[in-house]
Amino acid sequence: DVKVTQSSRYLVKRTGEKVFLECVQDMDHENMFWYRQDPGLGLRLIYFSYDVKMKEKGDIPEGYSVSREKKERFSLILESASTNQTSMYLCASSLGGAIYEQYFGPGTRLTVT
Amino acid sequence: AQSVTQPDIHITVSEGASLELRCNYSYGATPYLFWYVQSPGQGLQLLLKYFSGDTLVQGIKGFEAEFKRSQSSFNLRKPSVHWSDAAEYFCAVVPVSGGSYIPTFGRGTSLIVHP
Repeated sequence: DVKVTQSSRYLVKRTGEKVFLECVQDMDHENMFWYRQDPGLGLRLIYFSYDVKMKEKGDIPEGYSVSREKKERFSLILESASTNQTSMYLCASSLGGAIYEQYFGPGTRLTVT
Repeated sequence: AQSVTQPDIHITVSEGASLELRCNYSYGATPYLFWYVQSPGQGLQLLLKYFSGDTLVQGIKGFEAEFKRSQSSFNLRKPSVHWSDAAEYFCAVVPVSGGSYIPTFGRGTSLIVHP
């Protein structure tokens, strides 16, 4: 079974802190994705990566950055957390190509106070 | 750009009743189509997918979906709902060509199951 794990299920941070969200997949997938999920807005893509050290902006990259130094690990970084970044963050991975489904982690619920 | 519409934000059904969740997409060509389910506190899990061929596809947990090209729809169905089906359901489309394999998700439909 494909497993996508996220470093924390729940996280509480203060405004202005630097926040790291880690995601690891164990199936040698080329693609990895970070989404945020907010009620009524569905899933919005923040960044994705199709290879090590490669990244592409999604729909809402402002205030975020990412890092992919190893194939299995994809990190989301909030350089200076703000209250409007309070959300559920979902990581996903997939094989390359449109035909392949995504596998999701359990999510990290981040609260910024 | 493609878009996905799930017109129902919430749907309430009684346990044992049938279910249909609607999904419409806007795209120049037939995309790849997916349905995912998100149980409370969990990530998304694939229910089923359509690429080509038979327009009625079977998925896990007794779900099926029918692709209708003329209506640009990919509705999810289940003949008899169980209380454990209470969850959020997402439809997603991926372009077949053009080099992008980034899914576009609908905003989701929340299913409430009454005993």
